[in-house]
Amino acid sequence: GNSVTQMEGPVTLSEEAFLTINCTYTATGYPSLFWYVQYPGEGLQLLLKATKADDKGSNKGFEATYRKETTSFHLEKGSVQVSDSAVYFCALYSGGYQKVTFGIGTKLQVIP
Amino acid sequence: DTAVSQTPKYLVTQMGNDKSIKCEQNLGHDTMYWYKQDSKKFLKIMFSYNNKELIINETVPNRFSPKSPDKAHLNLHINSLELGDSAVYFCASSQVLSSMAEQYFGPGTRLTVT
Repeated sequence: GNSVTQMEGPVTLSEEAFLTINCTYTATGYPSLFWYVQYPGEGLQLLLKATKADDKGSNKGFEATYRKETTSFHLEKGSVQVSDSAVYFCALYSGGYQKVTFGIGTKLQVIP
Repeated sequence: DTAVSQTPKYLVTQMGNDKSIKCEQNLGHDTMYWYKQDSKKFLKIMFSYNNKELIINETVPNRFSPKSPDKAHLNLHINSLELGDSAVYFCASSQVLSSMAEQYFGPGTRLTVT
């Protein structure tokens, strides 16, 4: 079956530091890959996405590249802000009526 | 405009009671979901409905019964509540047969069983 492995948090960074949250996956076929973000007290919202190998998703300064050879979709941001403090979920979707498979979530705390 | 809404936002109840959570989406999506998120933020899918038909039913106790009166609504009824049912429950929707099928989540219902 499909699976997503994410680094466990929490990750604590100082403002303006570089962020990497690792995500690797196992899936049959060619899944779509996502990063979702959950701010405190809210539901998840889509941050970025990629549908095929070598695609780069980007949004709000965050980026992730779909690497089929390493089955990875690592999330990066060059300079984090306090407002980026949230829980980040990596996810994959194989298509049709398959469920979306979520990682365990990585909590990011950015301190001033 | 709220895309996916849930009521209530907070629900505090005693063990053994029966409660319901309602969900509505105004995005015109064909698929809706219920997820359970525990205190460690782990997200687990419970059910999924496509056009009012159950398509995903994970290993969930029979005390949980979803109901979809139409494709814009998916309600969750829980019988004989237990302490372990305390969690945040999220409703979500998506357009499954699109190329992306990204999910839109509601704000969550925090259920506390005492």
